[in-house]
Amino acid sequence: GQQLNQSPQSMFIQEGEDVSMNCTSSSIFNTWLWYKQEPGEGPVLLIALYKAGELTSNGRLTAQFGITRKDSFLNISASIPSDVGIYFCAGHRSNNDMRFGAGTRLTVKP
Amino acid sequence: NAGVTQTPKFQVLKTGQSMTLQCAQDMNHEYMSWYRQDPGMGLRLIHYSVGAGITDQGEVPNGYNVSRSTTEDFPLRLLSAAPSQTSVYFCASRRRGLIGETQYFGPGTRLLVL
Repeated sequence: GQQLNQSPQSMFIQEGEDVSMNCTSSSIFNTWLWYKQEPGEGPVLLIALYKAGELTSNGRLTAQFGITRKDSFLNISASIPSDVGIYFCAGHRSNNDMRFGAGTRLTVKP
Repeated sequence: NAGVTQTPKFQVLKTGQSMTLQCAQDMNHEYMSWYRQDPGMGLRLIHYSVGAGITDQGEVPNGYNVSRSTTEDFPLRLLSAAPSQTSVYFCASRRRGLIGETQYFGPGTRLLVL
């Protein structure tokens, strides 16, 4: 099936630094979603993007839906220790066609 | 509201055994789904349901059965467990409509098949 290529796989940053991660695909998606997962829990939705070119913010998080509809990025500004977790992108085309990236594991050093 | 609950939290099975993973939600959501999460891979959709009495296959349905007799419950059945089904299983629910409607995930069931 179509894969979502998410990068980087992991990041080790200092508290206060900005973070950027992205997802690319060879296929077009109608919706891009970004989730965060903490240990022992299910993913939690952070941001949903519906239109090509859309730029959406949620607090210190900003995400964009690429113009080609084949990519998306997520930025986190001024990272804090509670940002630690695994961030997943997901692309959606229909009820049974939702693909997740492999995740970016974020570690924030105080 | 309890949200999405899953039982059990952990399970060890022998190859060939059967079991049912339970999932329940109390938010009156129409859409429910099951995913599996494997190391180094994103979540993959196993089966989903858009309402009571309606189920359909996702990306990796082989070896799994589902049913949806009520809005609240969406059990996942493994008829004859195989080591390849060792994974963490997540159930999720959301309102029908925009996919960006917040999809609520359960805490997961960690399954080991020996």
